[in-house]
Amino acid sequence: AQSATQPDIHITVSEGASLELRCNYSYGATPYLFWYVQSPGQGLQLLLKYFSGDTLVQGIKGFEAEFKRSQSSFNLRKPSVHWSDAAEYFCAVGPPLQGAQKLVFGQGTRLTINP
Amino acid sequence: GAVVSQHPSRVICKSGTSVKIECRSLDFQATTMFWYRQFPKQSLMLMATSNEGSKATYEQGVEKDKFLINHASLTLSTLTVTSAHPEDSSFYICSAEATGVGYGYTFGSGTRLTVV
Repeated sequence: AQSATQPDIHITVSEGASLELRCNYSYGATPYLFWYVQSPGQGLQLLLKYFSGDTLVQGIKGFEAEFKRSQSSFNLRKPSVHWSDAAEYFCAVGPPLQGAQKLVFGQGTRLTINP
Repeated sequence: GAVVSQHPSRVICKSGTSVKIECRSLDFQATTMFWYRQFPKQSLMLMATSNEGSKATYEQGVEKDKFLINHASLTLSTLTVTSAHPEDSSFYICSAEATGVGYGYTFGSGTRLTVV
């Protein structure tokens, strides 16, 4: 069964520092991979997604993620965080198929930014 | 861009009553919508897949008689929590696939249900 694992429940970084949020996936083939961000009491906003091709994916808000097949990872990075980046981050995995498919979410990583 | 509107954003109801939550795709048609439930400080758990014009597909362990889903049009899916109890209190989020935009669902802003 497909799964996404985020090993870090909570991460605190200082404003202006770099950020890396980890995500490992389990799937029989290369799945479709996603990162979402959720502010308190809000829905989810898609940051970026990977389907195929270039393993370094650029997203919104200055985020990027790198797909590493050998490590079954899809880590999210940002070179310099802003206080507004404080939120909950979820990675998700879906089958590499067109059309509506189920997404399986990781447990989430709560990001706190120190001023 | 693809927008999903979810209403209401917050609702408080008495135990034993029913509550309906709406999920609308505003600028695209959604043959399929998904309903998730999220407990505080936890991840999203898929409850059911809503298909336009047919019965919803529920995940294992989800009571289909308690969580009624209707997807009567290509832009509207509703989730009705019937005979609500305090343990049904949660954050409910819908999502829809924006066909042609690319795989990557658009999510509604969620509904905070509190049963008292």
